Amino acid sequence: ETGVTQSPTHLIKTRGQQVTLRCSSQSGHNTVSWYQQALGQGPQFIFQYYREEENGRGNFPPRFSGLQFPNYSSELNVNALELDDSALYLCASSLGGNIYEQYFGPGTRLTVT
Amino acid sequence: DQQVKQNSPSLSVQEGRISILNCDYTNSMFDYFLWYKKYPAEGPTFLISISSIKDKNEDGRFTVFLNKSAKHLSLHIVPSQPGDSAVYFCAASAGQGGSEKLVFGKGTKLTVNP
Repeated sequence: ETGVTQSPTHLIKTRGQQVTLRCSSQSGHNTVSWYQQALGQGPQFIFQYYREEENGRGNFPPRFSGLQFPNYSSELNVNALELDDSALYLCASSLGGNIYEQYFGPGTRLTVT
Repeated sequence: DQQVKQNSPSLSVQEGRISILNCDYTNSMFDYFLWYKKYPAEGPTFLISISSIKDKNEDGRFTVFLNKSAKHLSLHIVPSQPGDSAVYFCAASAGQGGSEKLVFGKGTKLTVNP
């Protein structure tokens, strides 16, 4: 059984640029949730994708967008990067939109300069 | 507006003793609570959960207590082991496990000294 993987591990971008982060869900899971964890904070829910459709969203602006593919892997896209976007981005996979039995990936550390 | 608060950023205990991690919440609509453990360079790992219809849930060395009137929950680890050293996050949800989001606290870093 393959766990949740994320790529890249680390990324440095400049303010105003765009970034795409990737997540492969655990085998058999059809739901991916994305979280932002700023330094010293807990994870904050960005949105969830279930069967390729957005299925819930947190308090993040529209420049945070996502996709889920037929194989249930997912992308998080952030446009017009701001310094405050610097954070650890975590994805979690689960089954059936469930948020209680989630398996997290190791995260992507994004630094915006 | 922090709906889930973990007021102790860190906690240090001796191996074999009890670790008690605390969590307070403000939203009375929360009906499900979870604890996650996070090691450096890894994602959070689910530890234990409790529904609002219960006041206690036990799983091996880990017990979670819920006091709804005080809007407070705690995680007890007995006996504590050095491998328990990690950041512990409390999380809460106001849904039934559907698309309702999880709200996390800021975490408490537990250090268990040999």
